[in-house]
Amino acid sequence: KNEVEQSPQNLTAQEGEFITINCSYSVGISALHWLQQHPGGGIVSLFMLSSGKKKHGRLIATINIQEKHSSLHITASHPRDSAVYICAVTGNQFYFGTGTSLTVIP
Amino acid sequence: DAGVIQSPRHEVTEMGQEVTLRCKPISGHNSLFWYRQTMMRGLELLIYFNNNVPIDDSGMPEDRFSAKMPNASFSTLKIQPSEPRDSAVYFCASSLGGQGGDTQYFGPGTRLTVL
Repeated sequence: KNEVEQSPQNLTAQEGEFITINCSYSVGISALHWLQQHPGGGIVSLFMLSSGKKKHGRLIATINIQEKHSSLHITASHPRDSAVYICAVTGNQFYFGTGTSLTVIP
Repeated sequence: DAGVIQSPRHEVTEMGQEVTLRCKPISGHNSLFWYRQTMMRGLELLIYFNNNVPIDDSGMPEDRFSAKMPNASFSTLKIQPSEPRDSAVYFCASSLGGQGGDTQYFGPGTRLTVL
């Protein structure tokens, strides 16, 4: 059983679409991280959440601690958003989701 | 700031050889993390340091792996002897605080191939 589950595994969208990626976890956490990994391999931390909601540009991340669930939303998606998005949770240990591969088509 | 610096960026070695990966964290950051990424297992935390002290090394696969942080600006991950299954991308990351409760900044990674 995976401590962190992401859905969907793969996602293809048309440019401009609103995108949602989901993350559910089964362990107690102190923080949840959303990471972005581009085709070149580099990893960027997008958000670190312990409660509520954060927004950065076209990206919004929310977390519901009671339901152990987080979502990453991308508004007005663009081909440069094409990447793998990884959910990670930290607490007593670190756990990673397997990632959601997003392709945005022009 | 230059960000997290890792070297080498690519390493190809033969089975049985010693491999040393290096990381320079962002100045002022107190925590340093070593991760491994493979197609099969995704991202895994190997070990993390807080104030140069190893806090959690439960992810280190076996005794062939060792990590040190002799000072706040340098860390090494050593594999001796290396095996083909160690082939992966190894990332180093640093953050201001510990326990994964702060934003982590990742280095570009070292792609290791063990033949």
